[in-house]
Amino acid sequence: GESVGLHLPTLSVQEGDNSIINCAYSNSASDYFIWYKQESGKGPQFIIDIRSNMDKRQGQRVTVLLNKTVKHLSLQIAATQPGDSAVYFCAENPSGGKLIFGQGTELSVKP
Amino acid sequence: GAGVSQSPSNKVTEKGKDVELRCDPISGHTALYWYRQSLGQGLEFLIYFQGNSAPDKSGLPSDRFSAERTGGSVSTLTIQRTQQEDSAVYLCASSSLGGYGYTFGSGTRLTVV
Repeated sequence: GESVGLHLPTLSVQEGDNSIINCAYSNSASDYFIWYKQESGKGPQFIIDIRSNMDKRQGQRVTVLLNKTVKHLSLQIAATQPGDSAVYFCAENPSGGKLIFGQGTELSVKP
Repeated sequence: GAGVSQSPSNKVTEKGKDVELRCDPISGHTALYWYRQSLGQGLEFLIYFQGNSAPDKSGLPSDRFSAERTGGSVSTLTIQRTQQEDSAVYLCASSSLGGYGYTFGSGTRLTVV
């Protein structure tokens, strides 16, 4: 079936370094993508989104890049902090309805 | 409300009992979704309500699972004759038309003993 997958299940970075979390999606009809952060015991928290008519979008310390040619999405976190430690999910919206989620990448920030 | 509210936050039930989980979406959001998340896993889609349209029930794992959305707002997910494999966090989300502004609640942690 259709799916969104992540290249790396775990990522460990040093505090202050930049983090890059990657995601591959399979549905070329998807026109909206979202990154979520989930801390232990909490629901997923919206980080940033991007529509398919864009290839880059920036937020506060985060940037999402979209490459529709290879169906690849990435989340860049600048100057990673201990509070960024969490599981990060990418999600695609192929039909304006339910999101399809990837398996998640656990980001661990070492002080 | 300001966010998606779910209750209870935790529920422990005996195998074979029925449970009801409640979701109160963001005011004005027309779409409401239920997901299930097992320990250390991703989000498994269960059911989706959009306005007055028939719900998308394609993710419900068995006929023991059902959901209602009354008045286009509050939703209740019901699990009948609970089994141990039903233990998980049940997450609700709501969004505006088109899936934008997709916001999750904090979830209900269900433990079947």
